Amino acid sequence: KQEVTQIPAALSVPEGENLVLNCSFTDSAIYNLQWFRQDPGKGLTSLLLIQSSQREQTSGRLNASLDKSSGRSTLYIAASQPGDSATYLCVLNNAGNMLTFGGGTRLMVKP
Amino acid sequence: KAGVTQTPRYLIKTRGQQVTLSCSPISGHRSVSWYQQTPGQGLQFLFEYFSETQRNKGNFPGRFSGRQFSNSRSEMNVSTLELGDSALYLCASSLNTGLGNEAFFGQGTRLTVV
Repeated sequence: KQEVTQIPAALSVPEGENLVLNCSFTDSAIYNLQWFRQDPGKGLTSLLLIQSSQREQTSGRLNASLDKSSGRSTLYIAASQPGDSATYLCVLNNAGNMLTFGGGTRLMVKP
Repeated sequence: KAGVTQTPRYLIKTRGQQVTLSCSPISGHRSVSWYQQTPGQGLQFLFEYFSETQRNKGNFPGRFSGRQFSNSRSEMNVSTLELGDSALYLCASSLNTGLGNEAFFGQGTRLTVV
């Protein structure tokens, strides 16, 4: 059974700082890994999708890496902004769109 | 292109009642999966439908059921509601169940059981 752990659970940084969110998983037989953000009481917004055969993906100030051999993924956010404040979720797809979620990292970027 | 649409957005029900939630996937997407989000348990998989067939089911009691129609729209039903069923219910759609498909989520239905 896939288990996904995200560290840290919460993070508070000043605006402009670069930061790294960590995700670890137990089963490396994955189809893909997605990073999402969730604003309070809202749905999930997809940030980056990394296919099983890929090592990283980039979108704007975001960069995500995937290392299946060690069961780890990181989400790097450059030059953080207050609008980046949200909960970030690491989500694994092992089979048939049966997604497994990490507990999330709650990020607060202070102006 | 319209995103994933969930209705209603908010619901208040009484213990013992039943409820039906709806999810319309992105046009062309044939896979719809459902998730329950609670503060204590986080996000948990309920079930997944593809071409009107339930392909996977999570570890939830039989009070939770669902179906998918020929136009890929899906409904989930919860019978005999309990206080613990209060949660944000999210659905996700994907193109199909093949490798590497990106999941897109709706805004969710907030269910409160009183």
